[in-house]
Amino acid sequence: AQSVTQLDSQVPVFEEAPVELRCNYSSSVSVYLFWYVQYPNQGLQLLLKYLSGSTLVKGINGFEAEFNKSQTSFHLRKPSVHISDTAEYFCAVSDTGGGNKLTFGTGTQLKVEL
Amino acid sequence: DAEITQSPRHKITETGRQVTLACHQTWNHNNMFWYRQDLGHGLRLIHYSYGVQDTNKGEVSDGYSVSRSNTEDLPLTLESAASSQTSVYFCASSKGTSATDTQYFGPGTRLTVL
Repeated sequence: AQSVTQLDSQVPVFEEAPVELRCNYSSSVSVYLFWYVQYPNQGLQLLLKYLSGSTLVKGINGFEAEFNKSQTSFHLRKPSVHISDTAEYFCAVSDTGGGNKLTFGTGTQLKVEL
Repeated sequence: DAEITQSPRHKITETGRQVTLACHQTWNHNNMFWYRQDLGHGLRLIHYSYGVQDTNKGEVSDGYSVSRSNTEDLPLTLESAASSQTSVYFCASSKGTSATDTQYFGPGTRLTVL
């Protein structure tokens, strides 16, 4: 079984400032890692995913995440945020050998202020 | 364009009533999933299907059922609605069963059980 921890439920940040959203996972097996974004009153959409290879993954809208196996982390970063980045962000994992099921974290609400 | 739709978008019902939430996708994806989203819990998997006539229980399946009679649809039924089932429900689909396959989410259904 896997679990995902997103310690920060809310992250306020000023526009054009950098941001990091933290994600740690626990698993007894190898996992793939995902970040999804949910804009207000919408479904989730994939930001980026780590499957293998380079530990730095680039996604849409200027976001990137770094996989750190020793720290079991997959933190999401953006060097300069925009008002339109205000949304809820979910980290998720799936077992590499266990089909397509996702286990989600509790989410981090990113609020970008002027 | 291919898409995944959910209906109704909002539903208010009474305790004890049977409720069915619809999910329809036009991507011809084999896999479909139902999640519920609750504050402090993120998204939790209710049921999933890897193809026609295939259904499986997820993490929080008690009180819910699904059936898959065709590729496009996976309706979620609450046999006897309870106040604890007040939530936002998301349907998702993916092409294959590989853990690398991206899940695509519908816009959600907000269900209130009074």
